[in-house]
Amino acid sequence: NAGVMQNPRHLVRRRGQEARLRCSPMKGHSHVYWYRQLPEEGLKFMVYLQKENIIDESGMPKERFSAEFPKEGPSILRIQQVVRGDSAAYFCASSPFTGGEKLFFGSGTQLSVL
Amino acid sequence: DQQVKQNSPSLSVQEGRISILNCDYTNSMFDYFLWYKKYPAEGPTFLISISSIKDKNEDGRFTVFLNKSAKHLSLHIVPSQPGDSAVYFCAASNTNAGKSTFGDGTTLTVKP
Repeated sequence: NAGVMQNPRHLVRRRGQEARLRCSPMKGHSHVYWYRQLPEEGLKFMVYLQKENIIDESGMPKERFSAEFPKEGPSILRIQQVVRGDSAAYFCASSPFTGGEKLFFGSGTQLSVL
Repeated sequence: DQQVKQNSPSLSVQEGRISILNCDYTNSMFDYFLWYKKYPAEGPTFLISISSIKDKNEDGRFTVFLNKSAKHLSLHIVPSQPGDSAVYFCAASNTNAGKSTFGDGTTLTVKP
């Protein structure tokens, strides 16, 4: 029973390029969360999605960042025109229920912006 | 405005002794609290949780205590083992809201 799968594990981009991070939740989980961990900081909530719906995007920067969780396929976190400050570890988590239950995390994508 | 705070960035204990990790929160709407453990280059993994209707939950060597009036919770690990060395995150949620809010983590080092 595969866990939460994130890819790529490492992503290097130059300033101004686009970054696409993918997340496949655990089988049977329809709730996906994205968190960002900046160096020396904790996990900061970005967005919460269910299939085809954004439920809570209160942690998403207003510009350049978007997320989707289509009916078929993985959830995608997209960062346009990346800047050095976007360098961080991005973690995806899934759960079978809503309501603050425990989350199952992927191994993360380490984004480095040159 | 950090709603979940872990004021100790690091903690070092001797193998076999007790480790106590602390966490404070400010949002009185939180009603569910969780601890996660994280090793380098891996995602966090769930460790133990507690609902606001309880003040203690125990699972093997791990016990979480909740003091609602003080808005404080703690994780006790006894006896501590070298394999417990990791970053521990405290998280809080409202069961009607979905998302969890995390603290900045405490790095625990258990010395053999």
